[in-house]
Amino acid sequence: NAGVMQNPRHLVRRRGQEARLRCSPMKGHSHVYWYRQLPEEGLKFMVYLQKENIIDESGMPKERFSAEFPKEGPSILRIQQVVRGDSAAYFCASSPRPDTEAFFGQGTRLTVV
Amino acid sequence: KQEVTQIPAALSVPEGENLVLNCSFTDSAIYNLQWFRQDPGKGLTSLLLIQSSQREQTSGRLNASLDKSSGRSTLYIAASQPGDSATYLCAVRGNFNKFYFGSGTKLNVKP
Repeated sequence: NAGVMQNPRHLVRRRGQEARLRCSPMKGHSHVYWYRQLPEEGLKFMVYLQKENIIDESGMPKERFSAEFPKEGPSILRIQQVVRGDSAAYFCASSPRPDTEAFFGQGTRLTVV
Repeated sequence: KQEVTQIPAALSVPEGENLVLNCSFTDSAIYNLQWFRQDPGKGLTSLLLIQSSQREQTSGRLNASLDKSSGRSTLYIAASQPGDSATYLCAVRGNFNKFYFGSGTKLNVKP
């Protein structure tokens, strides 16, 4: 059972472009969480999804950011019209149930130039 | 809103020492608490999970305790090694299942 897989590991985008970050949860895990870690800061919650449903998106910026977890395929975090302040490490975590151990991926490091 | 604090922010010890990392949280209504390790530029590795009904968990040289009523957890590392050098993160899982993270304790174990 592979761990949580995130790709790409590193992503460079110019200001104004779109960034698409992918997360494949562990097999059998239907709960997915996205977190952002700004340089020298802690991890901040962005969004919690179950298959085809957004459960809690209270940590997502209202504009330019969206997330999905389709019935088939990975969870996608999409950032439109990226700005320099979006540069950060984005981590995805998954768990089989809300009260069980969660496992994190290696993260995607987004750099906006 | 849940606030998680970790003390100390940084710790440097000689190899072989036993050490304690502290985590406190403001809202005791949690499902569980999880300790993670993060190496520079890497992801998070789960170390220990303590359910809200449990008092402690052990894995190898690591022991984590939880006092939910007082909003505290400690991570005890026995006989520290240079390979233990990393940032240790405490995360509590509360309402709506999301994690609230502390800012971490950056540990350096000197050979």
